[in-house]
Amino acid sequence: GQQLNQSPQSMFIQEGEDVSMNCTSSSIFNTWLWYKQDPGEGPVLLIALYKAGELTSNGRLTAQFGITRKDSFLNISASIPSDVGIYFCAGQQNTGNQFYFGTGTSLTVIP
Amino acid sequence: GAVVSQHPSRVICKSGTSVKIECRSLDFQATTMFWYRQFPKKSLMLMATSNEGSKATYEQGVEKDKFLINHASLTLSTLTVTSAHPEDSSFYICSAHRLAGTDTQYFGPGTRLTVL
Repeated sequence: GQQLNQSPQSMFIQEGEDVSMNCTSSSIFNTWLWYKQDPGEGPVLLIALYKAGELTSNGRLTAQFGITRKDSFLNISASIPSDVGIYFCAGQQNTGNQFYFGTGTSLTVIP
Repeated sequence: GAVVSQHPSRVICKSGTSVKIECRSLDFQATTMFWYRQFPKKSLMLMATSNEGSKATYEQGVEKDKFLINHASLTLSTLTVTSAHPEDSSFYICSAHRLAGTDTQYFGPGTRLTVL
């Protein structure tokens, strides 16, 4: 199946710093989703993007649907310790079809 | 946001027994649910797509006789791990596909299976 390339694989940052991660694909996607997973929990939906070029915020999180439809970005501003976790992107090519997931970005915030 | 529940959250069983995991969409109907397996510090591995009223679609390498999936209603899908062995120990997560104008996928909290 499709595999989305997510980078970076892991990040170690100081509290207060901004974070940026991205997801790329060789195929065009019509929907991008971003999730956060805490240890021992299921992924929680953070932001959903449905339109090329769309920029959507959720608190300190901002995600963008790339204009080429082959990538998406997630930014976290002023990171705090509770931002620690694994962030996954997911892309869908056509409505009703399955979502494909990125390999995840592990974020560690150092107080 | 939409809520998906999963039961049990943890299960420990003896080798050779079968374990059933339930996935429910609590506030929306899901014609499609997905079952994933996740190893420590790894991404989600799709096992199968569960379709209400029809047979599940299994990913390559996943034994359908080993992992039985039943999607009996628009809000419930079950995964049964038959004759479980220690190598089946893992974190199993379900998700429900919500199609309401736009597509979104919501995950359950996961089930930690330990086979002794």
